Amino acid sequence: AQKVTQAQTEISVVEKEDVTLDCVYETRDTTYYLFWYKQPPSGELVFLIRRNSFDEQNEISGRYSWNFQKSTSSFNFTITASQVVDSAVYFCALSDTGGFKTIFGAGTRLFVKA
Amino acid sequence: DGGITQSPKYLFRKEGQNVTLSCEQNLNHDAMYWYRQDPGQGLRLIYYSQIVNDFQKGDIAEGYSVSREKKESFPLTVTSAQKNPTAFYLCATKRTGKNQPQHFGDGTRLSIL
Repeated sequence: AQKVTQAQTEISVVEKEDVTLDCVYETRDTTYYLFWYKQPPSGELVFLIRRNSFDEQNEISGRYSWNFQKSTSSFNFTITASQVVDSAVYFCALSDTGGFKTIFGAGTRLFVKA
Repeated sequence: DGGITQSPKYLFRKEGQNVTLSCEQNLNHDAMYWYRQDPGQGLRLIYYSQIVNDFQKGDIAEGYSVSREKKESFPLTVTSAQKNPTAFYLCATKRTGKNQPQHFGDGTRLSIL
C-alpha cells in the first residue's frame, strides 16, 4: 500500500528564516511520481513541483528547493528566506505507476510571522 | 479564463437531504476527481473518472454518488446515507499523462444544519 507521511503538523517561523518541510513516502512501485502542492487560506490547492522516481536530480526555483532521496524515501521541500505570503498548508503527494490515483499526506501548516 | 469552477462555495444540508456539488472545467482535461478534506487531515479520494461515462470509487465512496455525462462536468451528490458530510470538498482535473499534476477548484464547504 502507498503512504505519505508529513510528520510536521505545524511549523512557525519568523520572516526571512529558512524552513524545511519533510515528506516520507512508502510504495512498492518502481515507477512513481511525487508532487508538492500549496493550499493558501482561499482553499484551492496550487501545484508547485513534480518529480519522477527515476529522476533524483534536486531542483531549485527561486526561494524554493526540493531534495529527493530514493535511499531514504524522502522528498523534502525547503523555503529560503521565508515570507508572510508563504503561510499556507503544504501537501506532499504520491501517484502510482498508472498515474491516476494520488495519495496525499496530512499536510504541514506553515505560519510565517512578520 | 481556463479553469475549474466549483459551486456553490458554501452549502448547508438538512438531515435526510441529498445535495449536489457542481464541478465544471474548461481545461479539456480527461480525468476528474472528488476529494474530501477534514480539518487537520489530508485529501481523501471519493470518486474519480478517467473518461466520459466511466468512473471508479475512491477510498471513501460510501454515501456519495457521481455521474460523468459530459467531459466538462463531474457533479458529486452527497446522499443521506453519508452520516458525517460536514467537510471541505475539492474537485480536481488532470491532463492525460502519468506524471501530470492535478488542478484544483476553489472547493465547496458543506455543513449540516
